[in-house]
Amino acid sequence: EVVLTQSPATLSLSPGERATLSCRASQSISNYLAWYQQKLGQAPRLLIYDASNRATGIPARFSGSGSGTDFTLTISSLEPEDFAVYYCQQRNNWPITFGQGTRLEIK
Amino acid sequence: QVQLVQSGAEVKKPGASVKVSCKASGYTFSSFGISWVRQAPGQGLEWMGWISVYDGNTHYAQRLQDRVTMTTDTSTRTTYMELRSLRFDDTAVYYCARGGWRFDYWGQGTLVTVSS
Repeated sequence: EVVLTQSPATLSLSPGERATLSCRASQSISNYLAWYQQKLGQAPRLLIYDASNRATGIPARFSGSGSGTDFTLTISSLEPEDFAVYYCQQRNNWPITFGQGTRLEIK
Repeated sequence: QVQLVQSGAEVKKPGASVKVSCKASGYTFSSFGISWVRQAPGQGLEWMGWISVYDGNTHYAQRLQDRVTMTTDTSTRTTYMELRSLRFDDTAVYYCARGGWRFDYWGQGTLVTVSS
C-alpha cells in the first residue's frame, strides 16, 4: 500500500499570503496524484488531478506540481474561503490511498 | 448538472448491516464508475472500494472486502454500498463519488452511527 505523508499537519497563514502544502509518497506514483479541499461539514472537492491539472471551475490561484514521490499544492494568494483541510490522494496502485490531511488555518 | 444524492442517516446496532444508496443524475451513468469513501468523526478519508457501472466489476479495500458489497442498478441510476457485521469503529460519514481514480463529484454524505 502506498503511504502518503502530508506536511505540515497544520499551516497558519493570513489572507493574501502564499500557501505551500507538501505530500510525499512511500514509493513512486508517477504523476497520479490528486488534491482535495474539505470544509467543515462538507464533502471533499477535487482541486487538482494528475499532479498539475486543475479540475473544472477551480481558480487559477491553485496549482499543483511534482512527480515520483514529492508533490506540492500551492495557493498563490489566500482568500478567506481557502481556509480548510487539504488531502492528497494517489491512484497509481490499488488500494487508492489518501494522505492524513493538512489543516490550513487563519493566523 | 451532475448530482449524487445519498440516502439518509442510519443508526445501527453492532453486528447489523447497513445499505447506503447513491442516486446519480446529470451525466451518462454508464460512463463513470462510483467509488465509496468514508470518514470517521474528526478523522481523514478512507477509500472503501469502487464499482464499474458499465459491467459491475468491483475492487474493494482489503481490510473491508469480507464485509462490503457494492452493487448498481442502471435502471434507476443508483449505486448501493452494503456493510455487514457493523462495529463501533464503522461509525462514519459515508460518501459516494463519481470516478474510479479521481473523484470529481461527491454525494452529500450519509452518517452511519453504530451504537448499542
